[in-house]
Amino acid sequence: SQTIHQWPATLVQPVGSPLSLECTVEGTSNPNLYWYRQAAGRGLQLLFYSVGIGQISSEVPQNLSASRPQDRQFILSSKKLLLSDSGFYLCAWSTGTGQETQYFGPGTRLLVL
Amino acid sequence: RKEVEQDPGPFNVPEGATVAFNCTYSNSASQSFFWYRQDCRKEPKLLMSVYSSGNEDGRFTAQLNRASQYISLLIRDSKLSDSATYLCVVNSPGGDSSYKLIFGSGTRLLVRP
Repeated sequence: SQTIHQWPATLVQPVGSPLSLECTVEGTSNPNLYWYRQAAGRGLQLLFYSVGIGQISSEVPQNLSASRPQDRQFILSSKKLLLSDSGFYLCAWSTGTGQETQYFGPGTRLLVL
Repeated sequence: RKEVEQDPGPFNVPEGATVAFNCTYSNSASQSFFWYRQDCRKEPKLLMSVYSSGNEDGRFTAQLNRASQYISLLIRDSKLSDSATYLCVVNSPGGDSSYKLIFGSGTRLLVRP
């Protein structure tokens, strides 16, 4: 069966510090991968998605970036965090055929102070 | 206008009650529809897909009305454990966007003893 991992689970970072969040998927090949952010009490905002290694589509211009160095690894990064980057970051995968269910990892709760 | 709209609630109901949520979507070309459940401070999890003919899974019934572009979720015999936020989800059709899902902001349900 497929599993999706995210780490760390929680993170407290000062403004201006760098960020690296990692997501890995097991039990499937060539998945579509997604990064979402959910601000407190708000809906899910799609940040990036990837349909293959090295292929990244950005949804919202901001100080975040994403990379997919391996088939089942998706990384979210920032060079300098802003207060507004605080939120719940969720990685998700789907089978890659389009229009199908996405499955979420446990998420990383980020607080920027 | 939001692509997917839901009443944020909260719906506060006693155990055993029947409760219904509605959701409207703006893109008539959308083809895939889902309900997800999100518990407090947890990741969203798929509750059920929504099919054109309507579908039922135990106490949960989902309906799709393409003409009016709305989706409904009916929960019968509510349990305390049903307390959560219910997210209406619709795919973003066409071209490079076909892999994306659009999430509503969610409807919060509170089931009281």
